[in-house]
Amino acid sequence: QSVLTQPPSVSGAPGQRVTVSCTGSSSNFGAGYDVHWYQQLPGTAPKLLIYDNNNRPSGVPDRFSGSKSGTSASLAITGLQAEDEADYYCQSYDSGLSGSWVFGGGTKLTVL
Amino acid sequence: QITLKESGPTLVKPTQTLTLTCTFSGFSLTTGGVGVGWIRQPPGKALEWLALIYWDDDKRYSPSLKTRLTITKDTSKNQVVLTMTNLDPVDTATYYCAYTFGGPFDYWGQGTLVTVSS
Repeated sequence: QSVLTQPPSVSGAPGQRVTVSCTGSSSNFGAGYDVHWYQQLPGTAPKLLIYDNNNRPSGVPDRFSGSKSGTSASLAITGLQAEDEADYYCQSYDSGLSGSWVFGGGTKLTVL
Repeated sequence: QITLKESGPTLVKPTQTLTLTCTFSGFSLTTGGVGVGWIRQPPGKALEWLALIYWDDDKRYSPSLKTRLTITKDTSKNQVVLTMTNLDPVDTATYYCAYTFGGPFDYWGQGTLVTVSS
């Protein structure tokens, strides 16, 4: 089981808005650690999509946005496009045990 | 432009030791705040953080794997090496190295698939 919990899959039609949730705990999000999101297209390495809760690296379309509140975070994608079909992972730092970087279990986005 | 590339064996026998090298360019591991981490992904499964080394040689390990992992750096060669002992078939995965400046993993290598099988 992952320290951060994500739904295994979400789906949406082109043009629609979808959200991906990421649930943490008091030792990560609740302790004030930021959430980061990665997009992994089939057969490729993960790519940073959102950092520090709600910031987009250069080149990431503004259709992608992130938020964090309490022990939960979410990624929103508006104007869904076929090329958005990918796996999405949330990531943070966890202060439990001796501290570690943690990932969610990943969410497969299917564009219908 | 920051790039990273992993290298190492593609096939390892159970109980053997795995040594992976991450060769990078576009940054220096002597710059304050910079780190290089290792993350793996079993086929069809999620990402798992393994280890991270900072510019000041501070080293961090996954609590569940720390007894089997060693991470080192060679700043003159722009390389970071991860060693994992006592390999098992469950260690079969794509292994990635990634650059961080204290927050997210900003840049990733292409990954290298390691299969553990006799």
